[in-house]
Amino acid sequence: RKEVEQDPGPFNVPEGATVAFNCTYSNSASQSFFWYRQDCRKEPKLLMSVYSSGNEDGRFTAQLNRASQYISLLIRDSKLSDSATYLCVGNNFNKFYFGSGTKLNVKP
Amino acid sequence: GAVVSQHPSRVICKSGTSVKIECRSLDFQATTMFWYRQFPKQSLMLMATSNEGSKATYEQGVEKDKFLINHASLTLSTLTVTSAHPEDSSFYICSARWISGSSKNIQYFGAGTRLSVL
Repeated sequence: RKEVEQDPGPFNVPEGATVAFNCTYSNSASQSFFWYRQDCRKEPKLLMSVYSSGNEDGRFTAQLNRASQYISLLIRDSKLSDSATYLCVGNNFNKFYFGSGTKLNVKP
Repeated sequence: GAVVSQHPSRVICKSGTSVKIECRSLDFQATTMFWYRQFPKQSLMLMATSNEGSKATYEQGVEKDKFLINHASLTLSTLTVTSAHPEDSSFYICSARWISGSSKNIQYFGAGTRLSVL
């Protein structure tokens, strides 16, 4: 079983929609989590860090549920520019574990 | 602005040549850097963890003699793809681990190097 698992999607949503992704992790010792976005043929860019129960930044909200071992990312009022692959990452000391990514397509 | 610089961004080389990729942390010292490879439409695959002043730790299936890693300073790690072959063509991405004062650590990625071996 992979350390971090994500639904690959794609999620196809209209502009303005609210969309949520979930990510599950297997290592209960994981200390922190991150959401990165990766555009086609580009490097991952940090979107949000999740250290405790959750984090909110504008239209983006990340939540961590340690009891159920999942992290979620909620995007409100989707923009065309939100189209990308969203990577869920878990961290345990010196190791970072990447999910395979969830692809989001926001359509006009 | 970029906190991790990776160079070159694009390399096209003949089969059998060696290619060196540099990864620099710009605003912080990174005792740990990571090297990833990504094939089209696939997820990032960790190749090795580069530790300043010591040998790199390679993931299973990654040949250490093929992919030489040197982390000689706190701001620079290099990956050398030796005797490159067409199957080594891929997108190589480095990252540097930043540790905050509260011991939170985050990875920042370089822009990646697209290697094409002819």
